[in-house]
Amino acid sequence: EAGVTQFPSHSVIEKGQTVTLRCDPISGHDNLYWYRRVMGKEIKFLLHFVKESKQDESGMPNNRFLAERTGGTYSTLKVQPAELEDSGVYFCASSAVGEKLFFGSGTQLSVL
Amino acid sequence: TQLLEQSPQFLSIQEGENLTVYCNSSSVFSSLQWYRQEPGEGPVLLVTVVTGGEVKKLKRLTFQFGDARKDSSLHITAAQPGDTGLYLCAGAQYGGSQGNLIFGKGTKLSVKP
Repeated sequence: EAGVTQFPSHSVIEKGQTVTLRCDPISGHDNLYWYRRVMGKEIKFLLHFVKESKQDESGMPNNRFLAERTGGTYSTLKVQPAELEDSGVYFCASSAVGEKLFFGSGTQLSVL
Repeated sequence: TQLLEQSPQFLSIQEGENLTVYCNSSSVFSSLQWYRQEPGEGPVLLVTVVTGGEVKKLKRLTFQFGDARKDSSLHITAAQPGDTGLYLCAGAQYGGSQGNLIFGKGTKLSVKP
């Protein structure tokens, strides 16, 4: 069974550009989460989808970040325009209802 | 803002030694999870502790949740090189959505043969 897949694994962009990160959860998992780890800091929660609906987006840093989950399957996280402080590792995780989280390997985003 | 202070930040030991990693907060959590992360991979759940004072064992790993549900510890007995990795604690907030976790910064463990 495939795990949580994130694409790309690495992205290097310039300040002001747009980047879209993708997450494919484990098939059948209604819950999908996004997290971010900035260098030297702890992993921080960004938001939680239940199917296609945003259940909790309290961790989204600002309106430059837009997360979508079309049809309740894969999710995208778009950063537009990217700033230097957006650099970090973005993790996606998925879970079945009431079950443990499975994390993807993350996307390393570098904004220059 | 809730914080989870994890210590030590780095730990380098010889194979066969014992070690303890601590996770402390001034806040109360409904549950606490311990993860292990390898380079280039995402965190993998080791255990979830839910009840204050709870102790769980996973082979040579012993996890404890403090009575007041504010702190937790991970003890490894007779560490092996395969235990090398980043250990993370994460607390679930009361009333928070599943997955809205507060993470510690992690303890980077290196076990030398």
